[in-house]
Amino acid sequence: DAGVTQSPTHLIKTRGQHVTLRCSPISGHKSVSWYQQVLGQGPQFIFQYYEKEERGRGNFPDRFSARQFPNYSSELNVNALLLGDSALYLCASTLDLNTEAFFGQGTRLTVV
Amino acid sequence: GQQVMQIPQYQHVQEGEDFTTYCNSSTTLSNIQWYKQRPGGHPVFLIQLVKSGEVKKQKRLTFQFGEAKKNSSLHITATQTTDVGTYFCAGLTSNDYKLSFGAGTTVTVRA
Repeated sequence: DAGVTQSPTHLIKTRGQHVTLRCSPISGHKSVSWYQQVLGQGPQFIFQYYEKEERGRGNFPDRFSARQFPNYSSELNVNALLLGDSALYLCASTLDLNTEAFFGQGTRLTVV
Repeated sequence: GQQVMQIPQYQHVQEGEDFTTYCNSSTTLSNIQWYKQRPGGHPVFLIQLVKSGEVKKQKRLTFQFGEAKKNSSLHITATQTTDVGTYFCAGLTSNDYKLSFGAGTTVTVRA
């Protein structure tokens, strides 16, 4: 059984561009969450989706948006990229809303 | 908003010694989870604590959840080189499902 898969693994973008990150959860998991991890810090919660509905939103600007598809995969979109958006973006899937999270390998985004 | 704090930020341990890392939340938690992240890797789930005063063990790792459900600790005995990494605690409150991570304790081991 495959774990959480994220694509792409690495990405370099220019300031002002937009980016779409993708995540496929573990089969049977209905919830997907997105986190931003800056070097030396813990993951910061961005969004949680459960059964295709947004169930939680962290303190991130409106430039960040996400959605979950009928097959439970998810996309994270970031518009008008800033240098400070450079980070490791982690996707985590959970069976339910409050169970253990299984993380993907992450997407390393560099904004230049 | 909810804040989760961890101390110490860094832990340098002689192989074979014990150490403890602590986690404190500004709000009461419904559960607390611990994760380990190896350098260059992603967080890997270790354990979840739900009950007040709960203690769980995994081989050389002992996890505790405080009576007030606002603090937790991870104690590692007889540290090995395989214990190298960053240990994060992450808390959930009952009124939302935002998993709030602490800044982590980064562990290095001297052989």
